[in-house]
Amino acid sequence: DQQVKQNSPSLSVQEGRISILNCDYTNSMFDYFLWYKKYPAEGPTFLISISSIKDKNEDGRFTVFLNKSAKHLSLHIVPSQPGDSAVYFCAASEDNYGQNFVFGPGTRLSVLP
Amino acid sequence: SAVISQKPSRDICQRGTSLTIQCQVDSQVTMMFWYRQQPGQSLTLIATANQGSEATYESGFVIDKFPISRPNLTFSTLTVSNMSPEDSSIYLCSVDQGGAGETQYFGPGTRLLVL
Repeated sequence: DQQVKQNSPSLSVQEGRISILNCDYTNSMFDYFLWYKKYPAEGPTFLISISSIKDKNEDGRFTVFLNKSAKHLSLHIVPSQPGDSAVYFCAASEDNYGQNFVFGPGTRLSVLP
Repeated sequence: SAVISQKPSRDICQRGTSLTIQCQVDSQVTMMFWYRQQPGQSLTLIATANQGSEATYESGFVIDKFPISRPNLTFSTLTVSNMSPEDSSIYLCSVDQGGAGETQYFGPGTRLLVL
């Protein structure tokens, strides 16, 4: 039973357009969420986070939105660039201490030039 | 930040054998983690390895199958014992420098194929 779901295994977007990656979770105790980006043959790297006290967090071209009532979060990338092509993992935790993150299966984003 | 290296980067092994994966960090860290990513699935935490104590395993993972060593603050090993094709996966080492996900760094992974 997946507690963190990313229902789109892949997504293709034209360069310059918006990329929207979605993540749903089932555990209502999750309080802290992160997005990681992973290039081939590399480990995931932290991208952006959000805690449940917020509904939006922005960092440059990356914005994460959280809808706690719907148990849904999304990552927006605007404008998308070819270098954004990677696998994006959503991760959730019941605390922000960073020890028990549950990862989603990932969405492969391809940004087409 | 932390720079993490893993050896081997990939391997092909026969059923019933064991493989030890090494993880080296360029700085001293208290907490090290081992993850597995099976084909098409998410990253799953296998265990947390703190220096000077026994590793703590997550549900579904046992020490006999995945023994872990943590001899010092910059190094750890994960052994995949008595391998079967179901163990084919990417194994990633991770460290946490600050106690929050933003400071969690991952190694490049070890891609294991068991025939």
